[in-house]
Order: sequence, then C-alpha cells, then structure tokens
Amino acid sequence: LAKTTQPISMDSYEGQEVNITCSHNNIATNDYITWYQQFPSQGPRFIIQGYKTKVTNEVASLFIPADRKSSTLSLPRVSLSDTAVYYCLVVRSGNTPLVFGKGTRLSVIA
Amino acid sequence: DAGVIQSPRHEVTEMGQEVTLRCKPISGHDYLFWYRQTMMRGLELLIYFNNNVPIDDSGMPEDRFSAKMPNASFSTLKIQPSEPRDSAVYFCASSFNQGAIGAFFGQGTRLTVV
Repeated sequence: LAKTTQPISMDSYEGQEVNITCSHNNIATNDYITWYQQFPSQGPRFIIQGYKTKVTNEVASLFIPADRKSSTLSLPRVSLSDTAVYYCLVVRSGNTPLVFGKGTRLSVIA
Repeated sequence: DAGVIQSPRHEVTEMGQEVTLRCKPISGHDYLFWYRQTMMRGLELLIYFNNNVPIDDSGMPEDRFSAKMPNASFSTLKIQPSEPRDSAVYFCASSFNQGAIGAFFGQGTRLTVV
C-alpha cells in the first residue's frame, strides 16, 4: 500500500477552517483515501473516505485532485472538541486491514 | 447496536502473569482486528480475522501473544507470560466485508504490566 505523509502537528484557533494535507504518491488505481479521527483515551473513528474529486459529509470535506497523489481533509469552523489526532490512510478495496501512520495532532485553542 | 465492546477497560498485572483481553464485535461484521497503540510505535495491527478465521497474524510480536475467535460474536487476545514492554492500549475493531465502509473501534483496554 502507498505510504502516506502528513504533518506531525497543527494548531488552530476556534472558528477557523483547518486543512490537513496528506501525500500518497504511490497510490494505486484500486486504492481509496480514508481519514480517521482519534480523541484522547478513545479508539479511532472513521470520518470520511473518497476516491477522487470532492466528498462532503456532516463532519468534514475531502478534496482529492485528479492525480490522486495527495488529499486534503477540511474541517470547517473547528471547535475545541475537534482537538484530536487525524490519520490519513490508503485503503485497498476489498476490506484490507487499516495501516496507521503517525497522524496529525490538531490542537484547537480558544 | 452498542458498538464494539472491549473488556476490561483497564488491566494492571504483574510481570509473568497471564492476561486475557476480550472483544465483542458489532453484530453482522465479517472482519475483526486487534491493534496495539503505544507512544513510541503508534497504532500497530496485530492480527485480523475474517469469518472467525485468522487471516494474518504477522503483526503478533511474539509467541507469548495468541488470539482466538471461537464464534462471530467473541474474540480474545491472550498474553502469557506478560512483560512490562507489553504495556499499551489494545484496540479491537470490526467491519463489514465492504471496502467502502470504515472499521469501528472499541474503547480499548489499557494494559499496564508492572
């Protein structure tokens, strides 16, 4: 599976939009991009998944350019409760196991 | 559904003792995964099952670790004998047999071996 690279940490003020970019240069045709969120003392939680272009749900948006070598998770108007670690994963279709990297530690401050 | 249920939530044991962690996956899920999380190594996949059959246990660190899934609603991860370096948070996760749907994680078991 393609290796992912994302920033180790990010800081943001409440109410701002946060964009976390992940690079996955060696992504394959049958791979999806998936993002998970992990709060302290909890297990990771699925946020969003996409293949190309843009996907939006009630939590976030995911932007994937045409070459699919990177993706951007966008969190609109973050609050303190969005402080968490965000993981970008490349998932091969067919329910292969999730392989987690270090993730991005997002700190939202008032 | 109550989600993936793990027990116990916390376990403190002495080095050399046997430890058994338990997991009840979400009903209807075909896949079950065991992960371990530490500050140094992050989230590591230990083993996963499909329809109660172990598919890949290459992540199991040593022979001291074993996992079973006797039926679709229960799995155990056993460490015997336990060592201080086994201290970590152990997560169980389950998912449908569909690539487009994410896995659901339990709350984890925080294991401390003293």
